[in-house]
Amino acid sequence: DAKTTQPTSMDCAEGRAANLPCNHSTISGNEYVYWYRQIHSQGPQYIIHGLKNNETNEMASLIITEDRKSSTLILPHATLRDTAVYYCIVPRFSGYSTLTFGKGTMLLVSP
Amino acid sequence: ETGVTQTPRHLVMGMTNKKSLKCEQHLGHNAMYWYKQSAKKPLELMFVYSLEERVENNSVPSRFSPECPNSSHLFLHLHTLQPEDSALYLCASSQKTGLRDYEQYFGPGTRLTVT
Repeated sequence: DAKTTQPTSMDCAEGRAANLPCNHSTISGNEYVYWYRQIHSQGPQYIIHGLKNNETNEMASLIITEDRKSSTLILPHATLRDTAVYYCIVPRFSGYSTLTFGKGTMLLVSP
Repeated sequence: ETGVTQTPRHLVMGMTNKKSLKCEQHLGHNAMYWYKQSAKKPLELMFVYSLEERVENNSVPSRFSPECPNSSHLFLHLHTLQPEDSALYLCASSQKTGLRDYEQYFGPGTRLTVT
């Protein structure tokens, strides 16, 4: 997978937007950016993915810069239940769908 | 509820025991995965099954033996484990259509403790 860089941890107040950055400067033109999160002691949860256009679903929005070297995951109104480790992944197609999880960003949402 | 279930949720076993972890997916997917997550370490991919054929074995010791009898079920057979094998074992599934392969759905995991 293409190397990604994320901050180790971030804090966010409940009800505010959480903006989680990710750098992926070695991304290739046809590689997608995927975001997952893992709440403590649970399995990871798929959030969203994108190529070059901004994407939005019921969970979050994904903003990818024009040069595609970085992206931001936005949780528009963070709740306490959004406290989790968030992973930004750029998988390289290898014939089989393997995801490589790094250390991610620990997001702590506080009251 | 992700549509992927795992049993048991917790397992304590001795080093000489034999046990099996079970995963079942109700999503109609055709690819299934085993991951291992040790304390304070990133998830590590162990095995990949695509269309019931094992397609990747990530240098996993032979004391872990996967089995995929059909596209909905995946097992991980354990024998003569070591204490360092204590971890959260996660199962995932996806639909192998090309791009959506990376949209994987995970079960809640089995917390394994080897004594």
